[in-house]
Amino acid sequence: EDQVTQSPEALRLQEGESSSLNCSYTVSGLRGLFWYRQDPGKGPEFLFTLYSAGEEKEKERLKATLTKKESFLHITAPKPEDSATYLCAVQGTHYGGSQGNLIFGKGTKLSVKP
Amino acid sequence: DTAVSQTPKYLVTQMGNDKSIKCEQNLGHDTMYWYKQDSKKFLKIMFSYNNKELIINETVPNRFSPKSPDKAHLNLHINSLELGDSAVYFCASSQGAFGQPQHFGDGTRLSIL
Repeated sequence: EDQVTQSPEALRLQEGESSSLNCSYTVSGLRGLFWYRQDPGKGPEFLFTLYSAGEEKEKERLKATLTKKESFLHITAPKPEDSATYLCAVQGTHYGGSQGNLIFGKGTKLSVKP
Repeated sequence: DTAVSQTPKYLVTQMGNDKSIKCEQNLGHDTMYWYKQDSKKFLKIMFSYNNKELIINETVPNRFSPKSPDKAHLNLHINSLELGDSAVYFCASSQGAFGQPQHFGDGTRLSIL
């Protein structure tokens, strides 16, 4: 069964204090790993898609990396506006009723203090 | 120019009632989804439609039924609402069902009294 585990559940940083969020996954064939940002009262906002081990994507202060078992979202010199819940999701290749599903982790709630 | 829009944003109703949530996307995508986010913020797929055909139907009660009048719309109908249906429901869309990012609306918060 496909599974996604994110850690830590919550992370508090000072402005400028770089850190990483972890997403460990188990999937029978990876179609894609997706990172989203969710602000309170809003829907998940798409950040990155990673398709194969070794791949990296960057956007402003965020960098996502992927291995065969986990993905990291690195946040460099975060600002208060980076505060949000970050969600990781995987899509597997197995057949059956769940084909095409995004399986989400429970998210990491990031707070960045000025 | 909202990409994925849902109405209403809030829905408060009594147990046993029937309600609908509407979703529209203007991204030209061919696949649309409904997700449920429970009180623990866990996001789970309920349904998806690709070219007006249901391609995923998770183990949700048959009181929930998706209806797609065209590929830009996927509405969610819920019959005989129960207390456990209280949650935030998100609509999403993507171009193709596999390997493509899904884009989400801002959710409908359903509260059952």
